[in-house]
Amino acid sequence: EVQLLESGGGLVQPGGSLRLSCAASGFTFSSYAMSWVRQAPGKGLEWVSSISGSGGSTYHADSVKGRFTISRETSKNTVYLQMNSLGAEDTAVYYCAKAGTSGTYYKNYFDPWGQGTLVTVSS
Amino acid sequence: DIQMTQSPSSLSASVGDRVTITCRASQSISNYLNWYQQKPGKAPKLLIYAASSLQSGVPSRFSGSGSGTDFTLTISSLQPEDFATYYCQQTYSSRITFGQGSRLEIK
Repeated sequence: EVQLLESGGGLVQPGGSLRLSCAASGFTFSSYAMSWVRQAPGKGLEWVSSISGSGGSTYHADSVKGRFTISRETSKNTVYLQMNSLGAEDTAVYYCAKAGTSGTYYKNYFDPWGQGTLVTVSS
Repeated sequence: DIQMTQSPSSLSASVGDRVTITCRASQSISNYLNWYQQKPGKAPKLLIYAASSLQSGVPSRFSGSGSGTDFTLTISSLQPEDFATYYCQQTYSSRITFGQGSRLEIK
């Protein structure tokens, strides 16, 4: 069974940093692209970042480009999201998701999703 | 970015009703359209991928159709567990976007 378990969320002050982790199991980790999607309280879903199976290609939404960095560590079956210069607009539940099939994260689908981790940016 | 517009944004229906939710893309996305169901406090769950393919384990009362710019999600006979929010997602572009969501409530 594929499982994704996010961690690392919490309360951080504006301008601060946080690193989220997503531990994966139940599949050949290096064969699948992984993504982060966030959801602000009471709002819809927003794609944040994606990384190829090899880790050689990364993609970020314009809203986080230059502030967030996605990476992966195959030896630990873990994908990370390093978040810097956080602002109130980054407050959200952050989900990690696995690409449905091997190949690119786009022209694909997300399945499954982790349970999410809440990031709150506030002073 | 490709804009995804869902309608309606919210709807009320009864158990046993047939319900259709539409999703329109601002440009052609071929069939790179997925549908997700989300219940309060839970992660999204994949229902339909590639516009019309039913994900394994999803009840057959769910179906999807469309290509190009116009897509639909249909629930043929609503069950109590189907009351949730539904999102469409385009993955044609590397800049993935979601619809704003359609909240399905009990009448």
